[in-house]
Amino acid sequence: AQSVAQPEDQVNVAEGNPLTVKCTYSVSGNPYLFWYVQYPNRGLQFLLKYITGDNLVKGSYGFEAEFNKSQTSFHLKKPSALVSDSALYFCAVRDTNAGKSTFGDGTTLTVKP
Amino acid sequence: KAGVTQTPRYLIKTRGQQVTLSCSPISGHRSVSWYQQTPGQGLQFLFEYFSETQRNKGNFPGRFSGRQFSNSRSEMNVSTLELGDSALYLCASSLGTGGFDIQYFGAGTRLSVL
Repeated sequence: AQSVAQPEDQVNVAEGNPLTVKCTYSVSGNPYLFWYVQYPNRGLQFLLKYITGDNLVKGSYGFEAEFNKSQTSFHLKKPSALVSDSALYFCAVRDTNAGKSTFGDGTTLTVKP
Repeated sequence: KAGVTQTPRYLIKTRGQQVTLSCSPISGHRSVSWYQQTPGQGLQFLFEYFSETQRNKGNFPGRFSGRQFSNSRSEMNVSTLELGDSALYLCASSLGTGGFDIQYFGAGTRLSVL
């Protein structure tokens, strides 16, 4: 069975500071890992994914994520946070064969001016 | 290219009723998945359809069902509604069923059961 953990319900950062949203995963085979963002009253929007290759993945809106196989982590990062980055962030893992995605519980990011 | 369209956006029903939600995927996408989102349980996988066949099913009671049509549009049905079915129901489409396929989500249907 696959699982995803986002250990922080809430992350608060000041605008202009770097941000990190943490994610760890458990999967039997090679992981396909994703980050999504959700704004109020909206569906989830794709940010980035890791399939294979370079451990540092770059995505939309200046976000990037670092895959660490030994720590089974896939942390989301951004060098300089914007107030508009405030939203709910989900980490997800997908089985290599099935279509089922398993999502973490989500982390609310608040960026203060 | 139009995104994933879910209708209706909001629904209010009473206990015991049934409801049908609709999802139109992105043109060319053949896989549709459904998720239930609640504050307490987070995002829970309901089922996935590909080429009119259900490929995966989550741990939900039989009151939750779905189907996919030949044009890839999908519907999900919930019968004998319970208060606990109140949630945001999200539909996601993807090109195929590979684990690497990006899922594109609709805005959701917010169901309130009174």
